[in-house]
Amino acid sequence: DADVTQTPRNRITKTGKRIMLECSQTKGHDRMYWYRQDPGLGLRLIYYSFDVKDINKGEISDGYSVSRQAQAKFSLSLESAIPNQTALYFCATSDNREAGELFFGEGSRLTVL
Amino acid sequence: GQNIDQPTEMTATEGAIVQINCTYQTSGFNGLFWYQQHAGEAPTFLSYNVLDGLEEKGRFSSFLSRSKGYSYLLLKELQMKDSASYLCAALDSNYQLIWGAGTKLIIKP
Repeated sequence: DADVTQTPRNRITKTGKRIMLECSQTKGHDRMYWYRQDPGLGLRLIYYSFDVKDINKGEISDGYSVSRQAQAKFSLSLESAIPNQTALYFCATSDNREAGELFFGEGSRLTVL
Repeated sequence: GQNIDQPTEMTATEGAIVQINCTYQTSGFNGLFWYQQHAGEAPTFLSYNVLDGLEEKGRFSSFLSRSKGYSYLLLKELQMKDSASYLCAALDSNYQLIWGAGTKLIIKP
């Protein structure tokens, strides 16, 4: 089983719908991240959390929200999806002492029509 | 502002050597990271440099010059499975990773 698991792996939805992407990890890491990846733009940070009670906005948080339900779980929500949120979304974790070494989930491909 | 620059695409021949360059400008610096990402898959960690010099790990090596804001990833004895995108990322003063857009490496037989 993967150490960082994302669900769903693929989702097609319509404009205006609410979408939740879930991430769970078995690595025991405190730090968790949500990124989106678009062709030619690289990885962009949406939100990150260093602890269960810690939530921080990243570079592109508008239109997204997150919840850190437990150390092992970090979910990303799109309250009202729009087509330019079509992207590949990655959850990642890192250890407190190795902040730059991220462990990624397999990705969730979201298409908003 | 913070910025990472790396070539968009490179082509190399199986068995050869290729060097992928990366320049960075960040607010503070706490290390330079290289990740490999095969098409449709998640990035995976390759290497980390925080001091100047060369770090060797099998067929892959990574070099850092902090004074020049420059790093490169060197891949030797290229294999077809090395066809992937290579992402350069710098850790800034807030211990946040700043990512380059990635270099797509195409290996030809």
